[in-house]
Amino acid sequence: DIQMTQSPSSVSASVGDRVTITCRASQDISSWLAWYQQKPGTAPNLLIYGASTLQTAVPSRFSGSGSGTDFTLTISNLQPEDSATYYCQQAYRSPYGFGQGTRVEVK
Amino acid sequence: QVQLVQSGAEMKKPGASVKISCRASGYTFTKYPIHLVRQAPGQRLEWMAWINAGNGNTQYSQKFQGRLSITSDTSANTAYMELSSLRSEDTAVYFCARDQGATSFDLWGRGTLVTVSS
Repeated sequence: DIQMTQSPSSVSASVGDRVTITCRASQDISSWLAWYQQKPGTAPNLLIYGASTLQTAVPSRFSGSGSGTDFTLTISNLQPEDSATYYCQQAYRSPYGFGQGTRVEVK
Repeated sequence: QVQLVQSGAEMKKPGASVKISCRASGYTFTKYPIHLVRQAPGQRLEWMAWINAGNGNTQYSQKFQGRLSITSDTSANTAYMELSSLRSEDTAVYFCARDQGATSFDLWGRGTLVTVSS
């Protein structure tokens, strides 16, 4: 199975800051990567797919990059509503595993 | 309204089975695969299986092979997931999710809490 590892596990930042989350795959997954945002008690929400394609209606302050094994989710101009846990997911091969999550706190 | 509506919370004893439904509305059910993802308390999301809602083809995580069954009823626009031989570690929220393409999940149900306890 392909293992997905995220870092950091948590980050605290202020409104207006830029936050970067890293996701590493245990093997080459090309650009088959998605990012999700999950708030407590709710289902995940798709932010990015294909490593860098912004999902419809997702604010442009979210961006994704990377290919192969190393990927990045960047939140620019952090907003209070961005407080959530963020997960990467490999979409290359079954089982389509997720990272362990990164909790973002907005101070 | 485009949505996936899941069945309600379940409480089961170890060794029992649970069946969860996921009803689609507002879009053509047979056009999109449905995936099953679960989340144990405080844990990461865990992918379990997917089904081609149109032709019923399925694929399961090896972890659940033989214990999980996912089916679709196109007349009811509903997918069903049945997990058998339940154990305490199966306590989790189970989500169904629509695959918009590229194995990315753009529409999710609200989740069904399954609690396994004696």
